[in-house]
Amino acid sequence: AQKITQTQPGMFVQEKEAVTLDCTYDTSDQSYGLFWYKQPSSGEMIFLIYQGSYDEQNATEGRYSLNFQKARKSANLVISASQLGDSAMYFCAMREMAGRRALTFGSGTRLQVQP
Amino acid sequence: NAGVTQTPKFRILKIGQSMTLQCTQDMNHNYMYWYRQDPGMGLKLIYYSVGAGITDKGEVPNGYNVSRSTTEDFPLRLELAAPSQTSVYFCASSPGSFNEQFFGPGTRLTVL
Repeated sequence: AQKITQTQPGMFVQEKEAVTLDCTYDTSDQSYGLFWYKQPSSGEMIFLIYQGSYDEQNATEGRYSLNFQKARKSANLVISASQLGDSAMYFCAMREMAGRRALTFGSGTRLQVQP
Repeated sequence: NAGVTQTPKFRILKIGQSMTLQCTQDMNHNYMYWYRQDPGMGLKLIYYSVGAGITDKGEVPNGYNVSRSTTEDFPLRLELAAPSQTSVYFCASSPGSFNEQFFGPGTRLTVL
């Protein structure tokens, strides 16, 4: 069974600074996908970034980058130059590559950006 | 494209009542999912479908039923609502490729 662990229930960061949100995962599959979603207080799930298990380069999307360390089974999200609008819940998730291809989510990290 | 739409956005049920949460996608995706999110938690899979006429259970299926008669629609039925079903329900769809899953806006359900 797949499992996602996010050990930081809450994080604070100063505006314009970088922040790293931790995510570790456990799976016996060789092929999988790793996702980060943002959930603002309005409640919707916003896709941020994706990393495939066979991707050699770390994924980047604007101010978001994914620090993928396969041997350590970690997929940390790095947000550079934090903005007030980054305050939200952040979820790490893993997707099965076969079968139902559903997402398994971690418990989330609440990020608060301070001015 | 409207993407994934869900109705209603909010609903309050009394214990023992039943209701159907609607989900529609207009992207011709084969894969569709229902997740629930309890307060302060991540999402958990209730049911999923890999195509019209094919559905299967996820991690937390008890108290729910689904059907998939068309590619577009994937309704979730709650029978005999219980307070433990108070949650936010998200519908999602995917074309099957590994890097995309699209979420609806969610339905906030309270059972009193």
